[in-house]
Amino acid sequence: DVKVTQSSRYLVKRTGEKVFLECVQDMDHENMFWYRQDPGLGLRLIYFSYDVKMKEKGDIPEGYSVSREKKERFSLILESASTNQTSMYLCASSLRTSGRGPPYEQYFGPGTRLTVT
Amino acid sequence: QKEVEQNSGPLSVPEGAIASLNCTYSDRGSQSFFWYRQYSGKSPELIMSIYSNGDKEDGRFTAQLNKASQYVSLLIRDSQPSDSATYLCAVNSLAGANNLFFGTGTRLTVIP
Repeated sequence: DVKVTQSSRYLVKRTGEKVFLECVQDMDHENMFWYRQDPGLGLRLIYFSYDVKMKEKGDIPEGYSVSREKKERFSLILESASTNQTSMYLCASSLRTSGRGPPYEQYFGPGTRLTVT
Repeated sequence: QKEVEQNSGPLSVPEGAIASLNCTYSDRGSQSFFWYRQYSGKSPELIMSIYSNGDKEDGRFTAQLNKASQYVSLLIRDSQPSDSATYLCAVNSLAGANNLFFGTGTRLTVIP
């Protein structure tokens, strides 16, 4: 079974704090993703990574950065937390598509509900 | 136009009935289609994947794909109260080969 874990289920931070969210997967997946999920807006991609030290911006990268130093670990960093970053953060992983083949399914971690006050 | 569209619901069905969930997508070149189930406060859980036109059955779940009409649907037979959740449709993004676009989900309630 694919297992994706996230460092915290619930987190409360103050405005301006630097926040680290960590994600670890144990299935040797090449791809890792960070999403945020807000009511009525669905899942929005923040950043993704196809390999170690690789990162690509998603749809809403502003205010976030990421780090991938090891294949199994993908960290999301909020450089200076703001109240509009209060959300559910979801990490996912998948195998990398070979050649022109269709992408594989993504598996999600349990999520981190972040509240910024 | 959104890449993936779903009726937000709520969709209510009586226990034992068939629940039908629909999803349309905008890019004709999409190749991969997934259905995820998400319980309130939990993360999405993969329940079905489909890549070819036609039906794919897995237990009480059937995914149907029609690429010509650009829609994908999920049928849940013999619906149970435990099926009450939000169902997300996901379709691959041509812009990023490994990325998926997610719909905003349809909320299903199965009434005992």
